[in-house]
Amino acid sequence: EIVLTQSPGTLSLSPGERAIFSCRASQSVSSSNLAWYQQKPGQAPRLLIYAASSRATGIPDRFSGSGSGTDFALTISRLEPEDFAVYYCQQYGSSPGTFGQGTKVEVK
Amino acid sequence: EVQLVQSGAEVKKPGESLKISCEGSGYPFAFYWIAWVRQIPGQGLEWMGIIYPGDSDARYSPSFQGQVTISADKTINTAYLQWSSLKASDSAIYYCARHGSGFTKSWLGYWGQGTLVSVSP
Repeated sequence: EIVLTQSPGTLSLSPGERAIFSCRASQSVSSSNLAWYQQKPGQAPRLLIYAASSRATGIPDRFSGSGSGTDFALTISRLEPEDFAVYYCQQYGSSPGTFGQGTKVEVK
Repeated sequence: EVQLVQSGAEVKKPGESLKISCEGSGYPFAFYWIAWVRQIPGQGLEWMGIIYPGDSDARYSPSFQGQVTISADKTINTAYLQWSSLKASDSAIYYCARHGSGFTKSWLGYWGQGTLVSVSP
């Protein structure tokens, strides 16, 4: 199965700053079949990005995804207070669909 | 509006059986794969398997094959996750999620609220 490694584990930033998360795959993710999710405490995950760079419905344009092959990134251009959460990447090109271990964005 | 509503929290003893449910609405239930995802509190997300309600084709992660059974009843728009003999290590939150597209390989576009399963003596 494809192993996804997210870095860093925790990101300490202030509102208004730029956040960049990395997701590296142990082998190439076919057809950029990679998604990003946001999870807040006590809530279900929410889809942000699919197909590596397509924003889901209703997701603000400060969220953007990029990458292909084995290296992917999620960028939040300017952090809003509601963006402090845990972010997961997931590949769905190969079965089983695997998740990264998550990156937590906390208030500095 | 697409909605997935899961059954309520469960408290069980080791060795007991359990079946939790996920009812879909607001879309043609039979035509979209449903996934089950495990989250041990404080930990990450684990993809367990998927089912196509139209023909009940179910596929499992090797980590969960033989440990759980995924099923669906398209006549009542409901998917299920069941255990025949629970272990303490099955204690977790279980989410159902619908594929964002109609394809076998797809992102998880819609999520249920989660079902907390607690297993202790």
